Amino acid sequence: KAGVTQTPRYLIKTRGQQVTLSCSPISGHRSVSWYQQTPGQGLQFLFEYFSETQRNKGNFPGRFSGRQFSNSRSEMNVSTLELGDSALYLCASSLTSGQSYEQYFGPGTRLTVT
Amino acid sequence: DQQVKQNSPSLSVQEGRISILNCDYTNSMFDYFLWYKKYPAEGPTFLISISSIKDKNEDGRFTVFLNKSAKHLSLHIVPSQPGDSAVYFCAAPSADDKIIFGKGTRLHILP
Repeated sequence: KAGVTQTPRYLIKTRGQQVTLSCSPISGHRSVSWYQQTPGQGLQFLFEYFSETQRNKGNFPGRFSGRQFSNSRSEMNVSTLELGDSALYLCASSLTSGQSYEQYFGPGTRLTVT
Repeated sequence: DQQVKQNSPSLSVQEGRISILNCDYTNSMFDYFLWYKKYPAEGPTFLISISSIKDKNEDGRFTVFLNKSAKHLSLHIVPSQPGDSAVYFCAAPSADDKIIFGKGTRLHILP
């Protein structure tokens, strides 16, 4: 069974631009969560989507948004990029939402904002 | 406010010895805990978990101990192997089902 895939793997953007990251979950998994990893803060929860609905949201500004499609693929968007948005963005999928805590992570998208 | 804390950013252990990674939490409502392992350029992978109804869970070389009164858990790796060199994250699901991660501990296994 193929794992979680994320595209692109690396991205360089300038301040003020916007970016869209993509995540394809493991086949059959309906929940997709997004995390931001930075050296100082570790992994921080961005949001979770389940059956095309945002089920949960972390403490990030409205510049961070996401969506999920009917095939469970998910995208996250960051508008008006800031230098502090430079991070590794990880996507994780799980069979269902809520009690299924064993998430499977993709390799991440490394975003650099200059 | 960090609800899951890993106070050691890094740890070096001789190959063959025991590695002990520590994690503290502040929320007494947490009732399930997970450990993830992360290699560079890869996403974290689930390693082992423990429910609050237990104080120990073992899986091969990996054992997690939970001390609820101290709000502390630890991951023991015995014996440590070179492939164990990675970043280890402690995590707990919050009441609203968000997974709260610690900042991670980088483990170096020395030859």
